Amino acid sequence: EDKVVQSPLSLVVHEGDTVTLNCSYEVTNFRSLLWYKQEKKAPTFLFMLTSSGIEKKSGRLSSILDKKELSSILNITATQTGDSAIYLCAVGRNRDDKIIFGKGTRLHILP
Amino acid sequence: DAGITQSPRHKVTETGTPVTLRCHQTENHRYMYWYRQDPGHGLRLIHYSYGVKDTDKGEVSDGYSVSRSKTEDFLLTLESATSSQTSVYFCAISEKDRDYEQYFGPGTRLTVT
Repeated sequence: EDKVVQSPLSLVVHEGDTVTLNCSYEVTNFRSLLWYKQEKKAPTFLFMLTSSGIEKKSGRLSSILDKKELSSILNITATQTGDSAIYLCAVGRNRDDKIIFGKGTRLHILP
Repeated sequence: DAGITQSPRHKVTETGTPVTLRCHQTENHRYMYWYRQDPGHGLRLIHYSYGVKDTDKGEVSDGYSVSRSKTEDFLLTLESATSSQTSVYFCAISEKDRDYEQYFGPGTRLTVT
């Protein structure tokens, strides 16, 4: 059975710290890996990764995919209280167009 | 923001009653999805559609049916609601040629009493 596993499930850090969130997957017919941020409402898209080793960056957030290790990381540097959210990882697969989500990492930034 | 709306946004209903949730998009995207989100489970796929009248089951499809008669509308029906279907329901849209970059609707909070 295909699955996406995120770690840690929960993380509390202080403002200014750097955090690394992990996502590993066991998915046949992999097509893409996606990261989302969810605050109190709907998830919002952060990154989509299809090629191994190419970093995607947006401000203080960055992400990279390792297809050999079947994993991805999401880095947030100089964290701010506004980064507090649930971060979701998802994987799209070719054979049936489904997207499988992990359970998310709940990140809380202390002021 | 992608043009996705969901209706109703909140609903309370009794066990055994039928419920229909609507997702409407103005982006002309081919793919539409219904997810439910529950504490400890993340987002779980209920059903999805890859075109008008083309639908398939997700991982938690029991007790749910869907219909897509137009590109812009994707309906989720609970034929006979149960308390285990109390959840937040999200609709999402995507395009295959964008490698499944998904955009989500605002969600519907459904409570079955």
